[in-house]
Amino acid sequence: DIQMTQSPSSLSASVGDRVTITCRASQDIGNSLAWYQQKPGKAPKVLLFAASRLESGVPSRFSGSGSGTVYTLTISSLQPEDFATYYCQQYHGTPFFGQGTKLEIK
Amino acid sequence: QVQLQESGPGLVKPSETLSLTCTVSGASISSSYWSWIRQSAGRGLEWIGRVYTSGTTRSHPSLQSRVTISVDTSKNQFSLKLRSVTAADTAVYYCAKERNFFAPWGQGILVTVSS
Repeated sequence: DIQMTQSPSSLSASVGDRVTITCRASQDIGNSLAWYQQKPGKAPKVLLFAASRLESGVPSRFSGSGSGTVYTLTISSLQPEDFATYYCQQYHGTPFFGQGTKLEIK
Repeated sequence: QVQLQESGPGLVKPSETLSLTCTVSGASISSSYWSWIRQSAGRGLEWIGRVYTSGTTRSHPSLQSRVTISVDTSKNQFSLKLRSVTAADTAVYYCAKERNFFAPWGQGILVTVSS
């Protein structure tokens, strides 16, 4: 199994800040990575796939990068609606999710 | 657009079988992969398994001995059965369309395992 480790587990930031979340895979996943946003009481919603491809309808302030075992999600300028929990997911083998990063208002 | 809706009992007794159905609307269930995912405080998000519309399935290695996933193309539905449940199976269960990643998702259904 290819495990995913996210950091940090929580993050406090202000509207307008640039934030980065990191996901590390236990082995090379060849860009087979998706990022999700989840708000309380709602299902996760995909933001990016193939490490850096933006899903239709997702604002361009969200971006992804990385290769091999290390991947990042960046939000260039936080908006009030971006405060949520973010998850990575690899689909190189059996799908596995990271443990999540809770983004809170400072 | 494609919408998914989970249905089934919200309470299951220990050692019994959890049974859920996902109804797909807005598109045909044919020629796609469909998955079940669960989320609990203790285990986070956990992929349970998938079914293709041909009926081919694959499950998470840790659950495959207890999981059956099936599809009914005539009803545009797919289903999950999880046998011999324990309190550790208490979670919100989601169905989703799998495109390697998962999108869209159903709204989720809380299933509690308790006597």
